[in-house]
Amino acid sequence: DSGVTQTPKHLITATGQRVTLRCSPRSGDLSVYWYQQSLDQGLQFLIQYYNGEERAKGNILERFSAQQFPDLHSELNLSSLELGDSALYFCASSVTAAGETQYFGPGTRLLVL
Amino acid sequence: AQSVTQLGSHVSVSEGALVLLRCNYSSSVPPYLFWYVQYPNQGLQLLLKYTSAATLVKGINGFEAEFKKSETSFHLTKPSAHMSDAAEYFCAVRGSSYKLIFGSGTRLLVRP
Repeated sequence: DSGVTQTPKHLITATGQRVTLRCSPRSGDLSVYWYQQSLDQGLQFLIQYYNGEERAKGNILERFSAQQFPDLHSELNLSSLELGDSALYFCASSVTAAGETQYFGPGTRLLVL
Repeated sequence: AQSVTQLGSHVSVSEGALVLLRCNYSSSVPPYLFWYVQYPNQGLQLLLKYTSAATLVKGINGFEAEFKKSETSFHLTKPSAHMSDAAEYFCAVRGSSYKLIFGSGTRLLVRP
């Protein structure tokens, strides 16, 4: 158990819908990262937050957004969902923004029908 | 820009045999390198990391990796495979903005 929690574990929804994925970092970690794992793209970095501020953006679609709240939990919002958004979404956390060691949560498996 | 290449999408070994999973990296700065393992339907677990200290890094579950700058490699090894080692293994390099850049993964199969 890494100490990073993610909810829900599974999510099934329809195209065009909007979902929110939630992540709670390890106690004491200020930085949260979101990654997407899909069969065709592999593991890809989406976005990083540090202590409530956005620090880095990767291959994140405009339909996707994220935020980190004062209690340091983070939410990833996915809207206007398409079939191709079906993937495993991981959250990771680290103590600092430099991410020397990132600890991963168990992931949320999203299936868009 | 940093990148990682994992040679071999599938590796099959017999139980008790040496495990060797290959990873080559590209980095314009001294790299931070990582190996993660993913068991079926689970998240990524950190096996070990290289952060410019000792070139031979020991990790959990008997795994180790050696950083070779001249070969730009960071191969993962384990002297004797167990059935419980069957999983997917990812090599990663810390990229710009401190994100992790992952290889495509190697699925390890352990034959009884």
